[in-house]
Amino acid sequence: QITLKESGPTLVKPTQTLTLTCTFSGFSLTTRGVGVGWIRQPPGKALSWLALIYWNDDKRYSPSLKHRLSVTKDSSKNQVVLTMTNMDPVDTGTYFCARMGYYPFDYWGQGALVTVSS
Amino acid sequence: EIVMTQTPLSLPVTPGEPASIFCRSSQSLLDSNNGNTYVDWFLQRPGQSPQLLIYTLTNRASGVSDRFSGSGSGTDFTLKISRVEADDVGVYYCMQRKELPLTFGGGTKVDIK
Repeated sequence: QITLKESGPTLVKPTQTLTLTCTFSGFSLTTRGVGVGWIRQPPGKALSWLALIYWNDDKRYSPSLKHRLSVTKDSSKNQVVLTMTNMDPVDTGTYFCARMGYYPFDYWGQGALVTVSS
Repeated sequence: EIVMTQTPLSLPVTPGEPASIFCRSSQSLLDSNNGNTYVDWFLQRPGQSPQLLIYTLTNRASGVSDRFSGSGSGTDFTLKISRVEADDVGVYYCMQRKELPLTFGGGTKVDIK
């Protein structure tokens, strides 16, 4: 059974750095072709892709947010960590991690709601 | 980046009737090297995470009802529900993965009339 779960703070202050962890089970991030992506969703709005990290440590970012994002993996712990710097109220939303492989985003976490407010 | 435009924004449907959702991309999503068209469809039910319905234009994901089908070519795509059921309500998104950045459509909200 494949599961993913996001964890991290629910509230961050403007200018702070957000760190979210995606802990997964049922697959390995050492398997060729497998990746984990991050997608966010402002309240009541559409999905927006943020970042991807693959089994070979290839990392890809949304160009508009690339200067603020970092994604890393710890395959031994089955975790992927997303870091977003200089948080702003417009970054408020639900952050999802999802598996990317032969099938695109075929398993998703439940999402982590992050509010940016002073 | 490739822009994905979905229509309609909202779609009231009658159970048992068919329904169609449209998605247009700003560039062709056809990969001429392998013939694949990289558009996918997701459903986000109220209060839930998105789930994959259709991948690579026409392929149903595991466990997805055969009432759902994907079609289209180049830049114009359609998700069709042959007979709508109450459980089909939610927001449907198309996504392109022809090239990075991955981009989603704005969503189509389906609800029961």
